[in-house]
Amino acid sequence: QVQLQESGPGLVKPSETLSLTCNVSGYSISSGYYWGWIRQFPGKGLEWIGNIYHSGRTHYSPSLKSRVTISVDTSKNQFSLRLTSVTAADTAVFYCVRLNGFCSSGNCYYYHFYGLDVWGQGTTVTVSS
Amino acid sequence: AIQLTQSPSSLSASVGDRVTITCRASQGISSALAWYQQKPGKPPKFLIYDVSNLESGVPSRFSGSGSGTDFTLTISSLQPEDFATYYCQQFNNFQLTFGGGTKVEIK
Repeated sequence: QVQLQESGPGLVKPSETLSLTCNVSGYSISSGYYWGWIRQFPGKGLEWIGNIYHSGRTHYSPSLKSRVTISVDTSKNQFSLRLTSVTAADTAVFYCVRLNGFCSSGNCYYYHFYGLDVWGQGTTVTVSS
Repeated sequence: AIQLTQSPSSLSASVGDRVTITCRASQGISSALAWYQQKPGKPPKFLIYDVSNLESGVPSRFSGSGSGTDFTLTISSLQPEDFATYYCQQFNNFQLTFGGGTKVEIK
């Protein structure tokens, strides 16, 4: 059974960098799928942050692209999120997810997406001094 | 970016009711449209992929339909465990967006 577990500080000061890691168990990241980060603001909807493939290929939300870096460590079977220059508006529950689908080209340039079929339990990050 | 607008934002219904939730895209999208159910304090649960295909284990009272810009999630006979918030989500060129959510409450 595939499981995802987020870890990282629950409190970050304004202007600093938020760093989270997602540990994947029950499946090798190197075997395939895209992996990603989603956040949910208090009492509100869901926002996509970005995706990564085991090759290191990334895609980011245009609204966050200047502040976000997602990386992967296949040796540890985990991937990570860095969000710089945080403000109170970044306070949210952060989820790591698996993007179920398949590559329809050799370099995975095209991905047939099914859905976000595995979610971590989520970790609350509060931005406050 | 493609925007998804869900309606209604909330609804009240009784056990046994037929419930329909609409998701409208700002432009035509492919079949990469999914639906999720979320209960308080839990991550979303994957329900439907490719517009109308049920994820394994999802009860058959859930169904999805639509094409182009208009999509629907239908619960044929609402059960007590179905009271939750539902989200649509699309994937296009590796960019994802979610609808704003529809909260299904007990009447």
